[in-house]
Amino acid sequence: KAGVTQTPRYLIKTRGQQVTLSCSPISGHRSVSWYQQTPGQGLQFLFEYFSETQRNKGNFPGRFSGRQFSNSRSEMNVSTLELGDSALYLCASSSSGHLYNEQFFGPGTRLTVL
Amino acid sequence: GNSVTQMEGPVTLSEEAFLTINCTYTATGYPSLFWYVQYPGEGLQLLLKATKADDKGSNKGFEATYRKETTSFHLEKGSVQVSDSAVYFCALMNYGGSQGNLIFGKGTKLSVKP
Repeated sequence: KAGVTQTPRYLIKTRGQQVTLSCSPISGHRSVSWYQQTPGQGLQFLFEYFSETQRNKGNFPGRFSGRQFSNSRSEMNVSTLELGDSALYLCASSSSGHLYNEQFFGPGTRLTVL
Repeated sequence: GNSVTQMEGPVTLSEEAFLTINCTYTATGYPSLFWYVQYPGEGLQLLLKATKADDKGSNKGFEATYRKETTSFHLEKGSVQVSDSAVYFCALMNYGGSQGNLIFGKGTKLSVKP
């Protein structure tokens, strides 16, 4: 079974631009979560989608948004990029809609904002 | 609120040495606890987990026991190998509205020398 895939793997943008990152979960998984990883703040939860609905959201500004499609693929968008948005963005998928199930992580998208 | 504190690294050991990485948590209710490992340039992999008090998670020679009385989940391995060099993250997930939201510690970088 193929794992979680994220595209692109690397991105370089400039301040003020916007960016869209994509995540394809493991086949059959309906939950997709997004995390931001930085050296200073570590791993922080952004949001989680289940069956095309945002079910949970972390403490990030409204510039960070996401969506999920009917095939469970998810995208996250960051508008008006700031230098501090430079990070590794990780996507994770899991199968269950109710109780906890293991989250499987993708390799991440490395975003650099210049 | 929920939080995870783990010992700061880096930790440098010789091959076949004993490893302990301390992890303590603060949470309401009864969280599930996890150890994830991140190898250079990769996403996170679940190493082991425990879902209730006194559970012992184990995998690839690593072990951790869920201690509710001390709110701890320390990671141990009896004999480390060079291939264990990675960053290790302790994490918790609490239920009751926080689906898909893993809360991570800052990570501990382990380097094993031959």
